[in-house]
Amino acid sequence: DAKTTQPPSMDCAEGRAANLPCNHSTISGNEYVYWYRQIHSQGPQYIIHGLKNNETNEMASLIITEDRKSSTLILPHATLRDTAVYYCIVLQLYNFNKFYFGSGTKLNVKP
Amino acid sequence: GAVVSQHPSRVICKSGTSVKIECRSLDFQATTMFWYRQFPKQSLMLMATSNEGSKATYEQGVEKDKFLINHASLTLSTLTVTSAHPEDSSFYICSARALTGGGEAFFGQGTRLTVV
Repeated sequence: DAKTTQPPSMDCAEGRAANLPCNHSTISGNEYVYWYRQIHSQGPQYIIHGLKNNETNEMASLIITEDRKSSTLILPHATLRDTAVYYCIVLQLYNFNKFYFGSGTKLNVKP
Repeated sequence: GAVVSQHPSRVICKSGTSVKIECRSLDFQATTMFWYRQFPKQSLMLMATSNEGSKATYEQGVEKDKFLINHASLTLSTLTVTSAHPEDSSFYICSARALTGGGEAFFGQGTRLTVV
């Protein structure tokens, strides 16, 4: 079963920051938070992951709360091509146990 | 980043026939791969875990005799949908995790199966 909860949908204006929240209140100490997105009819695409420190890469920033029970994915300047379903997943690094997807957040970027 | 290739990207077959979907990790070795199924407007549902050199483990409710999984090498896993029926029409996606780097999972581009 998925260990995360996310809002079903969010809207964002093109050019503005998109902030997508995720709740993972039962996360274990050795589990990382991973974010993926799925554009219609494609396989999920890796975005970013983190353990407890905030992370940033060319695609997004990840803010993890101090108690690690929630996180926020930030797309700093959303474009129409960022319209997708965004999933957050908790995984143990290099532990190949199966993992499950929650329902994700459908981000609608509007002009 | 690492690449997982899935083939074919879409297939149409007649009821009662079998369809094989291939999943390859192109630039890394994957001892474990995962197979998901996704119905329209739904999330990905884990079907089974494919283990190189051993039997796959299936999620509850997934028929192992209908969805045959073979993981013959460290870079190839196959899913065969046997005696396909229209209700098996779905989007099938494979995933593999790399042993190096960030440990993230990489996904194939998916296979759209339509059974007519």
